[in-house]
Amino acid sequence: LAKTTQPISMDSYEGQEVNITCSHNNIATNDYITWYQQFPSQGPRFIIQGYKTKVTNEVASLFIPADRKSSTLSLPRVSLSDTAVYYCLVGPVSGYSTLTFGKGTMLLVSP
Amino acid sequence: DAGVTQSPTHLIKTRGQQVTLRCSPKSGHDTVSWYQQALGQGPHFIFQYYEEEERQRGNFPDRFSGHQFPNYSSELNVNALLLGDSALYLCASSLVRKTGSETQYFGPGTRLLVL
Repeated sequence: LAKTTQPISMDSYEGQEVNITCSHNNIATNDYITWYQQFPSQGPRFIIQGYKTKVTNEVASLFIPADRKSSTLSLPRVSLSDTAVYYCLVGPVSGYSTLTFGKGTMLLVSP
Repeated sequence: DAGVTQSPTHLIKTRGQQVTLRCSPKSGHDTVSWYQQALGQGPHFIFQYYEEEERQRGNFPDRFSGHQFPNYSSELNVNALLLGDSALYLCASSLVRKTGSETQYFGPGTRLLVL
């Protein structure tokens, strides 16, 4: 499974756009990039997933360059409730896939 | 549509004891995976059950065992508890035939403290 590298922590203020970049130099052809959000003492929650270019949903955007060796999760206009740990995962996607988490990025949003 | 549920929410045990954690998958899902999350770390895969059999296993000792029932619910058993087993235990369910986004749904977890 491709290893991922992301910042340990990031700080932001309410209303700002936050971009969290994940490096995955050894991504395989059949790997997807998936981001999860986790609040303290809760299970991870799926945010967004993509294979290439750009994906957007109601909560975030995911930018993936052509070489797919990195990806950027973009959170528009964050609020205090976006304070959480964000995990970047890389791997094949199916119902029997196992997920490999790193340490994630702790995002702290301040007033 | 019920999501993934886990019980109990919290548990305190002493070293050497045994513990059983329970998980009910999201409606329509047939596969259950268990993860251990130590404080400050990301979740680590323990094992996965499908059709009542262990299909995949992570790097965990045999003290960790599980079971899946005909209704797809699952149990995680840990024997001879060690202090290092203190963690949040997460259950995730999925549908084996499904590919694509959001393939695994996580439950709220069981917080285990071993004294």
